[in-house]
Order: sequence, then structure tokens, then C-alpha cells
Amino acid sequence: QSVLTQPTSVSAAPGQMVTISCSGSSSNIGSNFVSWYQQLPGTAPKLLINDNNRRLSGIPDRFSASKSGTSATLGISGLQTGDEADYFCGTQDSSLSSYVFGTGTKVTVL
Amino acid sequence: QVQLQESGPGLVKPSETLSLSCTVSGGSLRSYSWSWIRQPPGKGLELIGYIDDSGSTNYSPSLKSRVTMSVDTSKNQFSLKLASVTAADTAVYYCARRDYLFDSSGPPRSVWFDQWGQGTLLTVSS
Repeated sequence: QSVLTQPTSVSAAPGQMVTISCSGSSSNIGSNFVSWYQQLPGTAPKLLINDNNRRLSGIPDRFSASKSGTSATLGISGLQTGDEADYFCGTQDSSLSSYVFGTGTKVTVL
Repeated sequence: QVQLQESGPGLVKPSETLSLSCTVSGGSLRSYSWSWIRQPPGKGLELIGYIDDSGSTNYSPSLKSRVTMSVDTSKNQFSLKLASVTAADTAVYYCARRDYLFDSSGPPRSVWFDQWGQGTLLTVSS
């Protein structure tokens, strides 16, 4: 059972924007940096963003992220069919002395 | 570009020990930590643990009693052993490179996994 909670699913039409929340606590998001991963169907996760809001090289600026307090948010604008995937947040948890992943959110393009 | 490739048996009997290896190509094991992450079918991701090139390990508290990781820098490989497996250990197992920002005041607060293997499905069944 993950300590980081995400909505099970979000959806929007092509070209629209979706946001995915990641809710934690003071021992994880509240005191550490958040990363975001995209997992396309049948493939391994891929790192999109680290250090709360730093996009990896080659990641479109349609993907953005932020953190406030004990929550983090991933935004995907200009939604494309190729964005249909599961998205996971992740961060260190100082109390558990381990890295934890969020529960995951499935993005559907209507 | 670093590439990672898992290898393993695919099927393990209950109570036996699971053994997986990860071969790293296109780069060295030096200067990074190397991790195992698993994903039960239809579920989320779970970090099993990681090892650095010196052999120093850090295991998930929930799996610590059953996990052993090792590294062979001469072969550019690292390995996972998980003892006393049950059906609950059935999952896709990924190896991944762990990177982080050094923090002089204590453990790193910014950690990420930037290179992943394709994953290997490990089924526990008699």
C-alpha cells in the first residue's frame, strides 16, 4: 500500500489539459523532491521529470510539474493519443528510509 | 545511451529463491546506484532495493529479510536474489539506474530512476 496517493484515472479530449495530483506527507513530498514517470502500455516506466519540475532532455514542454507542501502535480497540456499511459510520482520517504512510488494514474484521451 | 537487460527463469516454485541478473551496456556501473523495482500485474511500482558499484546495499524495509543484491563490475552486471517466494512475489521485475543529487547535510533528498530495463515477468507457481 503506497504512501503516495494519486487519482485512479483522468481523461480529456485531444488538445485539452489534464492534471494528476500526488498526495503525500511531511516525511516524503513535504521534505524531498518529486519525480514523475510515464509508463506506456506494455513498456517499462520512463522518467519524465525530476527535482519537482525539471523535464528530462527530450521531454516536450507540454509536460509540467509543481510541488506545494505535501502534494505534487503533473500537468499535460495539448493532450495527444500518444500520451495515453499510466503516470507515477515518486520520492524519498525519510521515515521509511526508502523511495516510494505513487499509486499510479491512468490517462485516457477521449 | 546506457541500456539495461534483465535475465531470469520466468517461473519459480513457492518457497524457492528467485534469481535475476541485469546486464548494463553502453556505460559503466561506476558512479551510480543500481536498483530492482517490481510491479505486480495491474498494480503499482515497488522499489526492492539498490546497490552501488562498491557493493554497498540498501533494501526496502518490507523485503529486507529476504533480499540479497550483488554486483560484478567485471561483467557490468548486478543481481537480485529473493528467498522464500510466494505467489505475492509474482511481478514484472525491472532493473533501473538510480541517480541522485548529493546533499552534504544528509541522505539525498532528490532521487530518480532514469534508465530502465524492459522488465522480466517472474511467476511464482508450483
